[in-house]
Amino acid sequence: QQPVQSPQAVILREGEDAVINCSSSKALYSVHWYRQKHGEAPVFLMILLKGGEQKGHEKISASFNEKKQQSSLYLTASQLSYSGTYFCGTGHCNTNAGKSTFGDGTTLTVKP
Amino acid sequence: GAGVSQTPSNKVTEKGKYVELRCDPISGHTALYWYRQSLGQGPEFLIYFQGTGAADDSGLPNDRFFAVRPEGSVSTLKIQRTERGDSAVYLCASSPSPGNYGYTFGSGTRLTVV
Repeated sequence: QQPVQSPQAVILREGEDAVINCSSSKALYSVHWYRQKHGEAPVFLMILLKGGEQKGHEKISASFNEKKQQSSLYLTASQLSYSGTYFCGTGHCNTNAGKSTFGDGTTLTVKP
Repeated sequence: GAGVSQTPSNKVTEKGKYVELRCDPISGHTALYWYRQSLGQGPEFLIYFQGTGAADDSGLPNDRFFAVRPEGSVSTLKIQRTERGDSAVYLCASSPSPGNYGYTFGSGTRLTVV
């Protein structure tokens, strides 16, 4: 079952903050976050695992709520380089840990 | 290698023809994944390998699709009797092992079936 991302698109001014959500209908084992720029491959940002803590990467961090079966990606003080489409990928059990199912993405546009 | 390499970068083929797409993962990565991505959508899982064996091929759409990884490194995705609906960007990714690591994606092969 594909995770649901929200919002579908967001437009920011440089320096503003954004939150992107990823919700699953199934119990989560892992959540990956990626950023993809137009015409390029997705680039790995971070992975969160069941029982793990909130992760951070520069001004981008993420949380994992097992009870709500969701993860949120936080982008603070956004920069022009943050523009792109953000995907979450979810893993649902440790025995099939390699398979991740991706959402349809959230397009982030940061304007000067 | 330094990254995941996919060849060709673009492939145009006629409906009904056979195609092979190649992926060379990061050296030492035991897990290799194939996804395909259509415009405006997220990557769609096809298959993943742990070493030489296909650990999960549940995403292959039908028996026209087949993938191999005979020596545990390079993988080939094979599509027989191509259809226009197969047109997409085919992405390969690798990770040190499955489950607890993020993926490094290749640049993809853009397949166009005419």
